[in-house]
Amino acid sequence: DAKTTQPPSMDCAEGRAANLPCNHSTISGNEYVYWYRQIHSQGPQYIIHGLKNNETNEMASLIITEDRKSSTLILPHATLRDTAVYYCIVRVSTTSGTYKYIFGTGTRLKVLA
Amino acid sequence: DARVTQTPRHKVTEMGQEVTMRCQPILGHNTVFWYRQTMMQGLELLAYFRNRAPLDDSGMPKDRFSAEMPDATLATLKIQPSEPRDSAVYFCASGLIERPREQYFGPGTRLTVT
Repeated sequence: DAKTTQPPSMDCAEGRAANLPCNHSTISGNEYVYWYRQIHSQGPQYIIHGLKNNETNEMASLIITEDRKSSTLILPHATLRDTAVYYCIVRVSTTSGTYKYIFGTGTRLKVLA
Repeated sequence: DARVTQTPRHKVTEMGQEVTMRCQPILGHNTVFWYRQTMMQGLELLAYFRNRAPLDDSGMPKDRFSAEMPDATLATLKIQPSEPRDSAVYFCASGLIERPREQYFGPGTRLTVT
């Protein structure tokens, strides 16, 4: 199964863009990249996902390299409420025709006032 | 608003005891996931149900863990016998087959085995 690697922690100044990298060098052509975040003591929350094109929604942007071996989650204007652990995940298809999500160990983002 | 509920929120038990964790998925959802989260391992997928049928439980230690969905409104994760290394937060998530990008997570059950 594809694996993801992320830096364990990052700091970002409030109001600045937070750029969270993820390596997924063994990803297969049909495996999606997902990002979730987890705020302390809560369940993970979906942020964004993509296959090979860059994606943007109301929460964040996802930049995927052309070779798909890495991606970057961008929070354009980080706020204190964005302090959380951010998980880069690869969604793989199983032989039974379903999906499973492989979580990495996450990046602990701290937004500083 | 609709949300996944889990009970109990906290459980402290002694090694060797049976532990049962319950999850009520969002009404109408037809996929259920069980995850375990520890500081060392992060989030690990334990089991995956679709329309109440277990499709992938390869992440679950079979000798002591079991997961079931007796009906569409209840998913259970049981550990028997429990061990200190099972101490973790156990999350349940639910979703829809036709919208696989969305998983809605419950608040988790924090299990401590002494």
